[in-house]
Amino acid sequence: DQQVKQNSPSLSVQEGRISILNCDYTNSMFDYFLWYKKYPAEGPTFLISISSIKDKNEDGRFTVFLNKSAKHLSLHIVPSQPGDSAVYFCAASRFNGNKLVFGAGTILRVKS
Amino acid sequence: DTGVSQDPRHKITKRGQNVTFRCDPISEHNRLYWYRQTLGQGPEFLTYFQNEAQLEKSRLLSDRFSAERPKGSFSTLEIQRTEQGDSAMYLCASSRREVKGNEQFFGPGTRLTVL
Repeated sequence: DQQVKQNSPSLSVQEGRISILNCDYTNSMFDYFLWYKKYPAEGPTFLISISSIKDKNEDGRFTVFLNKSAKHLSLHIVPSQPGDSAVYFCAASRFNGNKLVFGAGTILRVKS
Repeated sequence: DTGVSQDPRHKITKRGQNVTFRCDPISEHNRLYWYRQTLGQGPEFLTYFQNEAQLEKSRLLSDRFSAERPKGSFSTLEIQRTEQGDSAMYLCASSRREVKGNEQFFGPGTRLTVL
């Protein structure tokens, strides 16, 4: 039962352009949504999160949008940089401090 | 380095052997989590502790798996009678209970290969 889905296994973007990574979820009880970035041989690194009571959160080049009615969230990276090339995971949780449920990840390649 | 550390980074073992992994969380973090990640998948939750209390265990955690956090600081994950299907990356994460947004900090992981 995949509660969090990332349907695009990979995405390729030109440097300087916008990267949009998408995530869908099925459990309407999720309270928090997070994005993590992972480089090879390293653990996931937290990028940005959003509470279910908000529809947008922004941090520098990263913006997360939440559409609760569609059970969909997206991560926008503007402008994309070659160093952003990594695997991006969407995650969700119920209640603060509870376990995270991850999607399968999307490989982002930013071409210079 | 004040991040989450895990030891060993790599472990190769033969089927049927026991293995133990260690995780040292960020010092002021009272919650500690274990996840498992296989190729092409996201991390899957195994178990988590608040201080020394184990609050939740996943169905993935069969009776061959046991985790402890005896003094509410470091944690160990033991797998008994390893099987080839146990080959995966085992990730540890920690957080403060009061953290806004449920941000969890991950260690580099222990890659287990069962031959």
